[in-house]
Amino acid sequence: AQSVTQPDIHITVSEGASLELRCNYSYGATPYLFWYVQSPGQGLQLLLKYFSGDTLVQGIKGFEAEFKRSQSSFNLRKPSVHWSDAAEYFCAVGEGSQGNLIFGKGTKLSVKP
Amino acid sequence: DAGVTQSPTHLIKTRGQQVTLRCSPKSGHDTVSWYQQALGQGPQFIFQYYEEEERQRGNFPDRFSGHQFPNYSSELNVNALLLGDSALYLCASSLIGIQETQYFGPGTRLLVL
Repeated sequence: AQSVTQPDIHITVSEGASLELRCNYSYGATPYLFWYVQSPGQGLQLLLKYFSGDTLVQGIKGFEAEFKRSQSSFNLRKPSVHWSDAAEYFCAVGEGSQGNLIFGKGTKLSVKP
Repeated sequence: DAGVTQSPTHLIKTRGQQVTLRCSPKSGHDTVSWYQQALGQGPQFIFQYYEEEERQRGNFPDRFSGHQFPNYSSELNVNALLLGDSALYLCASSLIGIQETQYFGPGTRLLVL
């Protein structure tokens, strides 16, 4: 069965420090992979997506993610975290971008001043 | 350009009642998907509507039903509410197509007492 695992429930980083959020997936075919961010009381905003091609994808707000097929991973990174990045981050996998996205349980990011 | 809108923002019901949630897609979008997000969990796909028909469905009982109107807006209906139906219900809209992005609304928070 398809699944997404985000091993870290809660991460705290200092402002200006680098960030890496982990995501592992289980999927039989070539996956479509996504990272979304959710601020309190808000819906989900797409940060970036991977469909094919270059395994390092750039997203909004200075985020990037790298697809590693051998490790079934799609980790999200940011070189320097800002206080406004505090939110919950969700990794998702799907057959395409249409419907039936399977989400992980999310990683809550806190940022220390 | 308005994004995805949902109404109401919050709702309180009692067990056994029925509820209707509404979603207006982003301008130009023709496809609406619904997700349920329980507290502390990632969103789970309920179903997707395109051309006024249910196109895909997740693992939800028949108590969950939907509708799409000619203007592409959509409703989610839940009958015979259970305590476990308490969640944030998210609507996402997109253009039909394999590499189109889903845009999420802010959600409707449903509390079943």
